Amino acid sequence: AQSVTQLDSHVSVSEGTPVLLRCNYSSSYSPSLFWYVQHPNKGLQLLLKYTSAATLVKGINGFEAEFKKSETSFHLTKPSAHMSDAAEYFCVVSGGSARQLTFGSGTQLTVLP
Amino acid sequence: DADVTQTPRNRITKTGKRIMLECSQTKGHDRMYWYRQDPGLGLRLIYYSFDVKDINKGEISDGYSVSRQAQAKFSLSLESAIPNQTALYFCATSGTTRAGELFFGEGSRLTVL
Repeated sequence: AQSVTQLDSHVSVSEGTPVLLRCNYSSSYSPSLFWYVQHPNKGLQLLLKYTSAATLVKGINGFEAEFKKSETSFHLTKPSAHMSDAAEYFCVVSGGSARQLTFGSGTQLTVLP
Repeated sequence: DADVTQTPRNRITKTGKRIMLECSQTKGHDRMYWYRQDPGLGLRLIYYSFDVKDINKGEISDGYSVSRQAQAKFSLSLESAIPNQTALYFCATSGTTRAGELFFGEGSRLTVL
């Protein structure tokens, strides 16, 4: 069994300040972990993925995430928020095949001018 | 043109009506999926297909059916729509070697009155 918990349903930051979106997971397997972003009226887009290589994963648009097995966490960060980062972000855990993907409930990121 | 195209993008229908949502892709992927998104619940898998002759139920298949007409086409049907099927529906595709790396359409918003 696997599950994923996004600890914040909404996060607000000012433009130019750091972003932290938190994700905890549980999995019976060595998991693969993903972050997806959904801009308004758009489909989801893959931001980054962890698949048991380097624990610090870099993605698109300056985002990165660190896999911490001891804490069962995969938090998403960005040093400096941009207005275009305003979107909903989903943490996803995979047990090994796409049919075993479990999506978190999402975190809505608001970027204030 | 989008790699994954969903039609219609918006649809309002009445309880008891049959509705079909269509998805086509130019990614050349064998695997296709239908997800449902509800606020605060993330995405939940309805059906998935790993090739033209392979159809599998997902987490919430009751009340839905699918047809894989070709490698590039995967449609979702609601035989008799009910109000709690009001949601945003996403089609997605993936390759066979990168489980979890999904490519999404822009969604079909369905309202059942």
